[in-house]
Amino acid sequence: DSGVTQTPKHLITATGQRVTLRCSPRSGDLSVYWYQQSLDQGLQFLIQYYNGEERAKGNILERFSAQQFPDLHSELNLSSLELGDSALYFCASRAPGTGYNEQFFGPGTRLTVL
Amino acid sequence: GENVEQHPSTLSVQEGDSAVIKCTYSDSASNYFPWYKQELGKGPQLIIDIRSNVGEKKDQRIAVTLNKTAKHFSLHITETQPEDSAVYFCAASKPGGGNKLTFGTGTQLKVEL
Repeated sequence: DSGVTQTPKHLITATGQRVTLRCSPRSGDLSVYWYQQSLDQGLQFLIQYYNGEERAKGNILERFSAQQFPDLHSELNLSSLELGDSALYFCASRAPGTGYNEQFFGPGTRLTVL
Repeated sequence: GENVEQHPSTLSVQEGDSAVIKCTYSDSASNYFPWYKQELGKGPQLIIDIRSNVGEKKDQRIAVTLNKTAKHFSLHITETQPEDSAVYFCAASKPGGGNKLTFGTGTQLKVEL
């Protein structure tokens, strides 16, 4: 158990809908990273937050957005869902003050868009 | 941007044999190279990492080597056991830019009895 929690574990929805995925980082970690894992694209970095502020963006679609709240939990919002958005979504957290990028992953949310 | 290539995509070994997975990276500024193990239905688990100022690191049956000149790093698992069966990912990271991890495409390791 990495200490990173994600809810829900599974999510099934229809095209055009909007969903919210939730992540709580390890106690004391200030950084949260979101990744998408699909069969054809592997693990792709989406976005990073540090202590409530966006720090880096990767291959995140405009239909997707995220935020990190004062209690440091983060939410990833996916809207106007398409079939191709079906994937595993992971968040990871990183301890503050470390010079290197040790990231600890949560168990993921499996999103199925029908 | 950074590109990480990983080989092989699948690897089958007999229990007790060694397994080696190789990765190359493109950005010479990368300074941190973790390896993750992902079991079915679970999130990636950090199993070992190496920093650019070190050439080799060992932790019991697993070891990682880094060749900065060749921009190449490898995972070595000795005395493989059935519970080592999983997908293994290498990754690379460099300072700045949010320190994102760029992952390889994964290696499905199967340890056969």
